[in-house]
Amino acid sequence: SYVLTQPPSVSVAPGQTARITCGGNNIENKHVHWYQQKPGQAPVLVVFDDTDRPSGIPERFSGSNSGNTATLTISRVEAGDEADYYCQVWDSNSDHYVFGTGTKATVL
Amino acid sequence: QVQLVESGGGAVQPGGSLRLSCEASGFTFSNYGMHWVRQAPGKGLEWVAFLRYDGGNKYYADSVKGRFSISRDNSKSTLFLQMSSLRAEDTALYYCARNWGRYCSSTSCYSDKWGQGTLVTVSS
Repeated sequence: SYVLTQPPSVSVAPGQTARITCGGNNIENKHVHWYQQKPGQAPVLVVFDDTDRPSGIPERFSGSNSGNTATLTISRVEAGDEADYYCQVWDSNSDHYVFGTGTKATVL
Repeated sequence: QVQLVESGGGAVQPGGSLRLSCEASGFTFSNYGMHWVRQAPGKGLEWVAFLRYDGGNKYYADSVKGRFSISRDNSKSTLFLQMSSLRAEDTALYYCARNWGRYCSSTSCYSDKWGQGTLVTVSS
């Protein structure tokens, strides 16, 4: 089955840029979606279809997808961005919804 | 506003059964596919099952196939997950989540709204 690999953690200072990667075989051929999950809360969609943002999500959140890596970029990081982030795709070969392993983003 | 409220969780012994419900409001339930996603304590998200808007195509994670069954009652705006032959590794917070569209395809399969979850504990 399709596997998505994320770094376990990323640390960033306030005001700087955080980049969270999601690796998968030829992932550029799939649509990648990203979720933010804060402690004790349900996940929230922050980027869909590689680059689009739902209404209400700040422009500081952006996505890209090329080759074997998709990336969630958080610009001008704030303390409130500290959370776990998950990438997700639909694998049409197996008809399975696949989540990445998750990345804990820490704001220093 | 969109609301998804899960219920039915609880403690059950290995080999037992449980039926989860997810009551939807604030949108036309019958126009959307729906997912169940779970999260074991301290672990990541794991997709469990998907059901398209009309109760047609059903897809399951390999870990639950043959043991879990997803269904819906569009007249009551409610999604269900029937779980049987439960194992310790099924212990998790179970979320229902709305699919962006009616179907899952390579271009439209993500969850735009989530409930708060219901906890299932499988233990002797």
